[in-house]
Amino acid sequence: SQQGEEDPQALSIQEGENATMNCSYKTSINNLQWYRQNSGRGLVHLILIRSNEREKHSGRLRVTLDTSKKSSSLLITASRAADTASYFCATDVRDSSYKLIFGSGTRLLVRP
Amino acid sequence: AAGVIQSPRHLIKEKRETATLKCYPIPRHDTVYWYQQGPGQDPQFLISFYEKMQSDKGSIPDRFSAQQFSDYHSELNMSSLELGDSALYFCASSLAPGQGKRETQYFGPGTRLLVL
Repeated sequence: SQQGEEDPQALSIQEGENATMNCSYKTSINNLQWYRQNSGRGLVHLILIRSNEREKHSGRLRVTLDTSKKSSSLLITASRAADTASYFCATDVRDSSYKLIFGSGTRLLVRP
Repeated sequence: AAGVIQSPRHLIKEKRETATLKCYPIPRHDTVYWYQQGPGQDPQFLISFYEKMQSDKGSIPDRFSAQQFSDYHSELNMSSLELGDSALYFCASSLAPGQGKRETQYFGPGTRLLVL
């Protein structure tokens, strides 16, 4: 990956459990975003957290950001089988463009 | 709500052929980004346009070129195709200034290119 790593690379949990995915990055950022991708399909924007924010919630999603450690986590609570997908973090680095640099992704499997 | 439209959705080409991928951004979005995602890999930034001008360039081969037109749609032209060009090509668009936070990029469904 260009920017960092996500861990775990793959995660298998039972429906109803919580899923936590972590992302680390290398450079200073403006913001960090999480995207979801169903098998080989489009990227769906989940949530954006700015560099001056520490935590953000959206429905069953909770994102944290620690700029001192250059890391973020995505927590999905009360997971559902429909949450099965790959999850990518993407950073918007501190330069003049808004291009995104993606992490390597976590493949989440939620077993019914 | 209108989303980013990409065409074609699937494309099969032979080596050394050319391909043109099209992207229609969300209305009022003035910035377009192209990304390439190889099998099992993360998306990689190729190129972006803001107000019809190239704004940034990533790891895009010289065989590829792109432009943004007056109606803000964009085309990615790929020549002398190689087997390694087989990938999912995404287009994303973002809001125009003054209409909200422009950092959020909305992705299209992608064009799956297979080079034989």
